[in-house]
Amino acid sequence: DTAVSQTPKYLVTQMGNDKSIKCEQNLGHDTMYWYKQDSKKFLKIMFSYNNKELIINETVPNRFSPKSPDKAHLNLHINSLELGDSAVYFCASSSTMTSGGYNEQFFGPGTRLTVL
Amino acid sequence: GDSVTQMEGPVTLSEEAFLTINCTYTATGYPSLFWYVQYPGEGLQLLLKATKADDKGSNKGFEATYRKETTSFHLEKGSVQVSDSAVYFCALQGLVAGGTSYGKLTFGQGTILTVHP
Repeated sequence: DTAVSQTPKYLVTQMGNDKSIKCEQNLGHDTMYWYKQDSKKFLKIMFSYNNKELIINETVPNRFSPKSPDKAHLNLHINSLELGDSAVYFCASSSTMTSGGYNEQFFGPGTRLTVL
Repeated sequence: GDSVTQMEGPVTLSEEAFLTINCTYTATGYPSLFWYVQYPGEGLQLLLKATKADDKGSNKGFEATYRKETTSFHLEKGSVQVSDSAVYFCALQGLVAGGTSYGKLTFGQGTILTVHP
């Protein structure tokens, strides 16, 4: 199936640990995003990569480090996890238009991170 | 900066009732507007979109019209079903410095809709 996939779906870990979340899209898109959804369902962008280049870097602690090895993959590594990092993290992808704008985003199923 | 405000929920309706979820926005320039839906335990799915003033987006019986004069993009459906129970997000794709959005979506707070048989 063509889609945006994320692994793992659930992640439970202790405070202070380091963890990674992986995202892959097979839609042929050139832009990928990470969003964080908090316990009140509020969604906020964290990062975006276009053709492996970082183009959006919102105010996020530097414990969070995204990496895009190629256009189809965007990973998120989190160091020294804190209780407040507990959330659902969504990956998304889109394609750029010839006019320079961006088409609609397609979202992955999310990774629910719980920090104990 | 850009912002989106949705009507507070949760919204509870009986099947076949009329649905309106209000959405207003603040943005510079001419943003694109979207409604996304999140079913329980799933990611977000695009429901409909509008890219310029007076455009009407529609899908699965849902409609929303881009009203620049009132900076609104209200979601409507004439007859809801139990299967429409989900969280609905209004979002905009605006412009950042340099005149491009980089695709960034700004979301409203989401409205939980529950439809009873």
